[in-house]
Amino acid sequence: AQSVTQPDIHITVSEGASLELRCNYSYGATPYLFWYVQSPGQGLQLLLKYFSGDTLVQGIKGFEAEFKRSQSSFNLRKPSVHWSDAAEYFCAVGGIGTYKYIFGTGTRLKVLA
Amino acid sequence: GAVVSQHPSRVICKSGTSVKIECRSLDFQATTMFWYRQFPKKSLMLMATSNEGSKATYEQGVEKDKFLINHASLTLSTLTVTSAHPEDSSFYICSARDTARLADTGVTDTQYFGPGTRLTVL
Repeated sequence: AQSVTQPDIHITVSEGASLELRCNYSYGATPYLFWYVQSPGQGLQLLLKYFSGDTLVQGIKGFEAEFKRSQSSFNLRKPSVHWSDAAEYFCAVGGIGTYKYIFGTGTRLKVLA
Repeated sequence: GAVVSQHPSRVICKSGTSVKIECRSLDFQATTMFWYRQFPKKSLMLMATSNEGSKATYEQGVEKDKFLINHASLTLSTLTVTSAHPEDSSFYICSARDTARLADTGVTDTQYFGPGTRLTVL
């Protein structure tokens, strides 16, 4: 079955600390992978995406993600978190020939001052 | 670029009335748009796929007669919640599928999301 798992429902980090949000997927074909961020009461903003090529993808707001096919993972990282990064983060997978995304359940990030 | 707007951002209506939500892709053409529903502290639930010039495709369990979708142009899709009831209160988000941006990535198939519409049915 196709699925996306974000194991961490909540994560709390101190401002300035590093961050890693986990995403594991199960997909029967070559995946397209995405990370979106949602602030309270807002829509989703695309942080970064992976289609092919370099497995380390750079995104907006200083985020990056690494695609590891052997581990079926696409973890999101940021070296130094800012208070404005507090939000909900969603990982999603799509693929060639299908335009529907499968979303993870989200990880809520809290940033301590 | 890749901006999607939704209108209204918030709507409060009485039970039994109908509400229309618009989703527009502002700087690209989208033959496919999607409508999602999001419950509090939950992930997105795909309701339907809106195809320009044809009927929408609804996900299992979504009432097509209750959630009317029209995709009349390459930049506009509308969702009408008919005879709304309090259980229809939710956050509705649309997305537009961008497949035309080949210059920078070479490959693309990305959904860009609107800011969402908060529907409250009294």
